[in-house]
Amino acid sequence: NAGVTQTPKFRVLKTGQSMTLLCAQDMNHEYMYWYRQDPGMGLRLIHYSVGEGTTAKGEVPDGYNVSRLKKQNFLLGLESAAPSQTSVYFCASSPWDRRNNEQFFGPGTRLTVL
Amino acid sequence: LAKTTQPISMDSYEGQEVNITCSHNNIATNDYITWYQQFPSQGPRFIIQGYKTKVTNEVASLFIPADRKSSTLSLPRVSLSDTAVYYCLVGPSGGSYIPTFGRGTSLIVHP
Repeated sequence: NAGVTQTPKFRVLKTGQSMTLLCAQDMNHEYMYWYRQDPGMGLRLIHYSVGEGTTAKGEVPDGYNVSRLKKQNFLLGLESAAPSQTSVYFCASSPWDRRNNEQFFGPGTRLTVL
Repeated sequence: LAKTTQPISMDSYEGQEVNITCSHNNIATNDYITWYQQFPSQGPRFIIQGYKTKVTNEVASLFIPADRKSSTLSLPRVSLSDTAVYYCLVGPSGGSYIPTFGRGTSLIVHP
C-alpha cells in the first residue's frame, strides 16, 4: 500500500495563478483532510471531507476550494494564489472507527507564491 | 472542542525518560486523547491514543488521571532520533471529528 500520496511535492506560483493539489489514499478511508503548516506553527485545517461527494470548511478555508468526486481522492484548489498562501500543505485520511481516530498523513507539498 | 495546552519546548539527553504533559480541562465524556509526532519536512505520525488510565505500545506510554483533565506522554530512554514536535489532540473517536492541532511541544534530545 502506498498510503497517502500528494502531488506535486514542490511548486512555485506567481500571484494570481491557479493550481490544484492532489491527494490520493489507497486505504479505503472515509475521512480526508487538508491542512496547511506555516513556520513554527502547528497544522491548521483548511477543508475536510467525511465521504465521497461531501466537503466541509475547516479553520482557514478562505481562498481555497476542494472536491471529493472519488472516495480515494481529495483535491485542493487555489483559484488565485496569494503570497499569504505560501506554506506546506499536508493531506491526511482516517477511517470511520469508533475505537480510534488515527490520521495518516501524506509527505506534504511545499508551495511558494511569489 | 476541548482546548489543549502543552509546553512550547523541552530539552533532554539521550537515555533519559521524557514526560510531556498536556492540559485539557474541558475534555468531554466521549473524547479520546491522541498524540502525534512530527519530524522536520514530514507529516505527523500517530503515536498513541487513550481514554483513561494507562496505555502502552512499543513507542510510548500514555498516562491519564481519573479526572482526565490532563495527560502525559512518556518516552522511555530517548535517542537523538526522538527529536521532533509532539502534538496532543482531544476529540471524539469516530463520527464527525474535526481535529485541532496546536503548536505542539518541540523536543530536542542532546547527545
